[in-house]
This record gives sequence, structure tokens and C-alpha cells, in this order.
Amino acid sequence: QVQLQESGPGLVKPSETMSLTCSVSGGSIRNYYWSWFRQSPGKGLEWIGYIYVSGPTNYNPSLVNRVSISADTSTNQFSLKMTSVSGADTATYFCAREADMNRAGARFTSWGQGTLVTVSS
Amino acid sequence: QSVLTQPPSASGTPGQRVTISCAGSSSNIGSNYVSWYQQLPGTAPQLLIYGSDQRPSGVPDRFSGSQSGTSASLAISGLRPEDEADYYCAAWDDRLSAPALGTGTKVAVL
Repeated sequence: QVQLQESGPGLVKPSETMSLTCSVSGGSIRNYYWSWFRQSPGKGLEWIGYIYVSGPTNYNPSLVNRVSISADTSTNQFSLKMTSVSGADTATYFCAREADMNRAGARFTSWGQGTLVTVSS
Repeated sequence: QSVLTQPPSASGTPGQRVTISCAGSSSNIGSNYVSWYQQLPGTAPQLLIYGSDQRPSGVPDRFSGSQSGTSASLAISGLRPEDEADYYCAAWDDRLSAPALGTGTKVAVL
């Protein structure tokens, strides 16, 4: 059973760059699509983007100019970087894995518990 | 911004049947299967339904899904207090080459 765990700073200052990491255990990050989601307090889920190791990445059009996702097979982790953050980026950030190997879709069977990031000076 | 539209809330008394709708377009629900997620307060979403009407192991058969055209529905029969949660639909969007998410529906058990 694959397990995901997000980590990163709980507090980021406005205009700075936020970096989060998702550590994966119980399986390799190869051959799967890995996504980042976020949820602002009291709001709905928002898909941020996905990565397929040694393959494509894709980002939410509303965030494409500020986000990037990368993966490190040596540590079995993938990361999210978001630049020029503001209060609107205050949210709980989740990482998740698509169910099927080598296929991008909307069936996410494994999720991290989420990490709250607050943007404030 | 969410691509799939859901009602913001739904409610019922214990034992009742509640239905949640999810409206999309030809590029998502119209050409791909729908998944549904349940998000209990303070937790990560959990897959509830996939392939339009399939339940992962451990999901009670009180939960059922369907889809037709560019819309989908989730039904909860025999509503229980522990069903009080937020529910999201999702489907792959061929135009965006990305997953499309619903706006979310908060289910209250009265």
C-alpha cells in the first residue's frame, strides 16, 4: 500500500517562493502520475498540476505561470514550487497518486494527509 | 476554477436517500468516466466511486453512481450521520489534458 506524506514550511511570507515535498513510501514514483491539490479554508478542492517521471508535466492554467513540479527518483519524492505567493495561496496542500500505471486520469486512490501553508508576514 | 458544477449543499434525515448532481461538458463527463470523492472534516479526500458506478473495496453499497451524457449523479441511500461530509465529482478533461473537479457538495444529516 503506497503512502504519501507532504512536508514543508507552515508559514511563508508574501511574495516569497513556497516549496513542498511529497515523500512516497511503499512503491516507486516511476510509472505513475502524481498530482498536487490544494484547498483554501472553507473552499473546494483545486487541482494544481501533475508530473509523470521522465514524462510530461501539466499545470492548472490559472497557476501555470507560478508553479512547477519536479521529481527525484533517488529519494522517491516529488515537489511543488510556487513563486510570488500571496494570501490567496493560504491553503491545505495535498499530494495524490493516480490509480493506474502509465495513465493520467481522475481516479486518485492514494492521498497524503495534507499540509497547511499560511501566507502571512 | 472548477470545471464541473455541483449543488453547494444537500441534506436529509437518517435513512433517507440523497442525490448529488454533477454537470460537465463533452470534453470531460461526456467522454470520460466520473469519479466521486468523500472528504470528511479535516481529512484528505477518499475515492468513493470510480468508473462512473464502481465502488472501491470497503465502500458500502449505500453509495452508488451513474452518468449520462454530460452529467453524473451520486446517490446515498439509507443516509447515516457518518455520511456528513463534502463530496466532489471528478473526470478527465480531454481538452485540458487534466483532471476536472467539481465545485463540491456539503451533505448534512439532519
